[in-house]
Amino acid sequence: DAMVIQNPRYQVTQFGKPVTLSCSQTLNHNVMYWYQQKSSQAPKLLFHYYDKDFNNEADTPDNFQSRRPNTSFCFLDIRSPGLGDAAMYLCATSSDRGPYEQYFGPGTRLTVT
Amino acid sequence: GESVGLHLPTLSVQEGDNSIINCAYSNSASDYFIWYKQESGKGPQFIIDIRSNMDKRQGQRVTVLLNKTVKHLSLQIAATQPGDSAVYFCAEEVNSGYSTLTFGKGTMLLVSP
Repeated sequence: DAMVIQNPRYQVTQFGKPVTLSCSQTLNHNVMYWYQQKSSQAPKLLFHYYDKDFNNEADTPDNFQSRRPNTSFCFLDIRSPGLGDAAMYLCATSSDRGPYEQYFGPGTRLTVT
Repeated sequence: GESVGLHLPTLSVQEGDNSIINCAYSNSASDYFIWYKQESGKGPQFIIDIRSNMDKRQGQRVTVLLNKTVKHLSLQIAATQPGDSAVYFCAEEVNSGYSTLTFGKGTMLLVSP
């Protein structure tokens, strides 16, 4: 089945130690998104790629970076994780041809110790 | 800034009852709305969507109503089941061309057997 895959599902990192989360998709969608979701809150968009064009949200900290080497893969890099970065990180995809539904992966739960 | 919000943070119902989850939006330019269901530890799952040129759309056991006059969106779930217990988010699309969603705060639906 076509889907959005996130690895790992659970990630533990130390304070200040760089960490990379990965997302892959088999939907061949040209738009990919990264969201941060904290407990009992709505997903918050960090940035998205429209093809190779990177679009950063104005309030996304510089500590968060992203890479999209090809259509299928997208990575979230947290350069120096702080305790406040502990959250669920969700990857999503959509097509620009409509409908504009976003398809979400299962998420990666990040713990910072 | 403009945002999407929900009136009720938690809704408790009995199995078999009909559930109604409400959402208020403030961006009159939004033309596409989605309801997502998110179970604990999982990514949001698409339930149903509606465009602004419609006021009602039905799916299997779910109906979305859109009232553009008062900028109000609702999700009706018929014959609610324990498996419907989850957090429900409404989301609005604020850009045309492709999807950049703004999520509401979410409503927890608790279904008792």
